[in-house]
Amino acid sequence: GIQVEQSPPDLILQEGANSTLRCNFSDSVNNLQWFHQNPWGQLINLFYIPSGTKQNGRLSATTVATERYSLLYISSSQTTDSGVYFCAVRATSGTYKYIFGTGTRLKVLA
Amino acid sequence: ETGVTQTPRHLVMGMTNKKSLKCEQHLGHNAMYWYKQSAKKPLELMFVYNFKEQTENNSVPSRFSPECPNSSHLFLHLHTLQPEDSALYLCASSQDIRTSGFTDTQYFGPGTRLTVL
Repeated sequence: GIQVEQSPPDLILQEGANSTLRCNFSDSVNNLQWFHQNPWGQLINLFYIPSGTKQNGRLSATTVATERYSLLYISSSQTTDSGVYFCAVRATSGTYKYIFGTGTRLKVLA
Repeated sequence: ETGVTQTPRHLVMGMTNKKSLKCEQHLGHNAMYWYKQSAKKPLELMFVYNFKEQTENNSVPSRFSPECPNSSHLFLHLHTLQPEDSALYLCASSQDIRTSGFTDTQYFGPGTRLTVL
C-alpha cells in the first residue's frame, strides 16, 4: 500500500520563526489533507490540497502531485501552533482508505 | 470543530466489560470513519461507512463491532478488550467517499480516550 513519510519528526521553534514541514508519499493520490492535532487530541483541518497551492493566514501549503510531496509552511509561529501536524492521503487506485503520516511534533517556545 | 461529537470523552473499562462509543455528525455528511490512535503510532483507519454501508474493515479484531444505523450516527461496540486496545478513538465524517475533491474533506470529532485495565 501507499507509504506516507513526514519530516522532520520533531521541531522546536522560537516564537516568530518560520518553518517548513514535508510530506512524501509513494503513489499517486486523489486526496491529501493537512491536520493539526492540538494537545487535547482534537484534529483540526488545515488544508485539503491534492495539488496546487493554498494559503490561510500564516499557513500555506503546496502539493506537487507529480513529484509526490506536499509542504506545509508556518510563518511567524505562535505558541498556539504547538502540537502535531499530520498529512493524510488517499491513493488514486482502488481503496477508500486514508493513510496518515507519522506526524511532525512542533513546539513553539515563547 | 463542533460538527462531529463523540461520547464519552473518557472511558475506563475492565477486560470483561461491554461498552459502546458514540459518534454523531451534524454536517449532513454520508461517510463516517473510526480511527485508532495509539501512543507513538500514526492514526490507523479501522472502519469506513458510506451511506450506512461498511466499505472498509481494516482487519480489525472482532472484539470491535461497528454499527451505523443512519448517516448521522456511528457506534463502536467494545467487548472483551485487551490492555493494548487502550488508545484515543477518533471518529470522522466526510460528504461522500466516492468523490474526490473538496467534498471528501474529513472532519474529526474530539475523540474518546479509552483505558482498558
